[in-house]
Amino acid sequence: DTEVTQTPKHLVMGMTNKKSLKCEQHMGHRAMYWYKQKAKKPPELMFVYSYEKLSINESVPSRFSPECPNSSLLNLHLHALQPEDSALYLCASSLVQGATNEKLFFGSGTQLSVL
Amino acid sequence: QQQVKQSPQSLIVQKGGISIINCAYENTAFDYFPWYQQFPGKGPALLIAIRPDVSEKKEGRFTISFNKSAKQFSLHIMDSQPGDSATYFCAAPGFGNEKLTFGTGTRLTIIP
Repeated sequence: DTEVTQTPKHLVMGMTNKKSLKCEQHMGHRAMYWYKQKAKKPPELMFVYSYEKLSINESVPSRFSPECPNSSLLNLHLHALQPEDSALYLCASSLVQGATNEKLFFGSGTQLSVL
Repeated sequence: QQQVKQSPQSLIVQKGGISIINCAYENTAFDYFPWYQQFPGKGPALLIAIRPDVSEKKEGRFTISFNKSAKQFSLHIMDSQPGDSATYFCAAPGFGNEKLTFGTGTRLTIIP
């Protein structure tokens, strides 16, 4: 199994809603990532978890709250989002954290629309 | 912070032709330069990567050429096919090795 599974595929939420994005992998990877991708733009790193501990937070607003319950699961909790947060949210994993030799496996993403 | 400049922004190539995408990076203490391919509605997927102990790496129709002194690397797609139509992102490591910085992306369209 070389897949990263993300749910839901699409999400529409109001600015006062609370929702969560979920990501799962069963490749034994110990690094998991959240990226944000706007249309026609590259993925932008938001968070990195390494061995279930938050390793990198790219100064993301607190209305985005990541959680890594175990080595296979990654969540992104959303609260009080703004319309400009509408984007494709991508989860990725790699065997371990490191930019020099680690292949990133991406999920298909959650397309989020904030009304 | 690492910056990666990618060109062209979009590219149209006839079927059977050669597609060439270029990237330039600033500085890195680490040598690992991947290319990711993204189809609409999908996440990026690793296409090919190079470690510049070599100046060129070839996998099937895809070749990376690397020029360390110029801090540039490029992707060549030989015999381009309509199925190659996608967005391509180069990437380079930052100074701290902990993350990749993606280029701005090239939207490639292969026409019959």
